[in-house]
Amino acid sequence: GQQLNQSPQSMFIQEGEDVSMNCTSSSIFNTWLWYKQDPGEGPVLLIALYKAGELTSNGRLTAQFGITRKDSFLNISASIPSDVGIYFCAGQEDNQGGKLIFGQGTELSVKP
Amino acid sequence: DAGVTQSPTHLIKTRGQQVTLRCSPKSGHDTVSWYQQALGQGPQFIFQYYEEEERQRGNFPDRFSGHQFPNYSSELNVNALLLGDSALYLCASSLQYMGQYFGAGTRLSVL
Repeated sequence: GQQLNQSPQSMFIQEGEDVSMNCTSSSIFNTWLWYKQDPGEGPVLLIALYKAGELTSNGRLTAQFGITRKDSFLNISASIPSDVGIYFCAGQEDNQGGKLIFGQGTELSVKP
Repeated sequence: DAGVTQSPTHLIKTRGQQVTLRCSPKSGHDTVSWYQQALGQGPQFIFQYYEEEERQRGNFPDRFSGHQFPNYSSELNVNALLLGDSALYLCASSLQYMGQYFGAGTRLSVL
């Protein structure tokens, strides 16, 4: 089945630094989404991308949908301690809101 | 505006038992999806319900079944529980093709 390769697996950064993580797939997806999950909680939707090449921002977060529709990246600028958590990318094959296929996650740690 | 709510938050069962998990979607959403998340992994799609019917199904055995009610709420049932069914079960709701919003999940432990 389809798999998403998410990298890096973990990151340790200093508060105030910028962060970049990405996700690639061997399959084409119609939608890419980025989620953040805190311990004991469900994933929280950060950004949804619906068009190839689309660049979308949400505060300090910026995400792009690759032109080939097989990849996406997420950038976080000026990281703060509350950015700590696990970030997941998810791809959706169809354009009817069907199943999400998740990456393995990137665990972000921020040192104050 | 209440988000996605799931009950119970935690559950302990023994092998062979059956379990029912419940989900109320975000207000205005008509589609409910269920995911299983093992420790340290990303969520895995179980199935999706729309208009009270199973619209899509992931690679899970028939022991996993579900239901959607006219008010869009949903149940996930798992029969003949195995130790490997221990996981966080997540419900996500959405409106048509828009992004899926997750609840906090039900932590199931099978002993």
